[in-house]
Amino acid sequence: DAGVTQSPTHLIKTRGQQVTLRCSPKSGHDTVSWYQQALGQGPQFIFQYYEEEERQRGNFPDRFSGHQFPNYSSELNVNALLLGDSALYLCASSLGGPNPETQYFGPGTRLLVL
Amino acid sequence: EDQVTQSPEALRLQEGESSSLNCSYTVSGLRGLFWYRQDPGKGPEFLFTLYSAGEEKEKERLKATLTKKESFLHITAPKPEDSATYLCAVRPLRSYIPTFGRGTSLIVHP
Repeated sequence: DAGVTQSPTHLIKTRGQQVTLRCSPKSGHDTVSWYQQALGQGPQFIFQYYEEEERQRGNFPDRFSGHQFPNYSSELNVNALLLGDSALYLCASSLGGPNPETQYFGPGTRLLVL
Repeated sequence: EDQVTQSPEALRLQEGESSSLNCSYTVSGLRGLFWYRQDPGKGPEFLFTLYSAGEEKEKERLKATLTKKESFLHITAPKPEDSATYLCAVRPLRSYIPTFGRGTSLIVHP
């Protein structure tokens, strides 16, 4: 049973650049959520995708955008990168519907902005 | 606003020395409380979901309990491989957004 996968594992960018992170959900899951985790902090919710639409968004600027594909995989795009965007970006999948339950996390993508 | 506070921030135990981690929360209507284990540089690994006060779940040396204001993660006779950061999160009824605590960093010495 394939778990949640993310790519790339590590990424180095410079300020002002754009980045795209990718996620494939756990087999059978149709809902994908993205989180940002700074060092020493808990994950912060960015947004959740269900049925190829953004279902809910956390307190992140419009520079953060996403997409979900028909096969339920998802992308997170961040434009105009800032130094403060350096973090571990986590994707989590769950079984959706009106009451999505437990989320399972991927290994994360470590983004460093210089 | 939903809030989660985990204590202690860090805990050092000797192998076999049982202890408990605390997760205090405030949420307007609890959909679920989640416990995760996170190793350095990796994604959180799901441990338990608790839904209502009085509920308990166990897995190997771990036992999670829930009251209306807090949850405990009891670790019985821990081993060095239990060393990790343990995260607690709550999801409210009205939202898909879980709120995470900052975690408890557990180190178990052999």
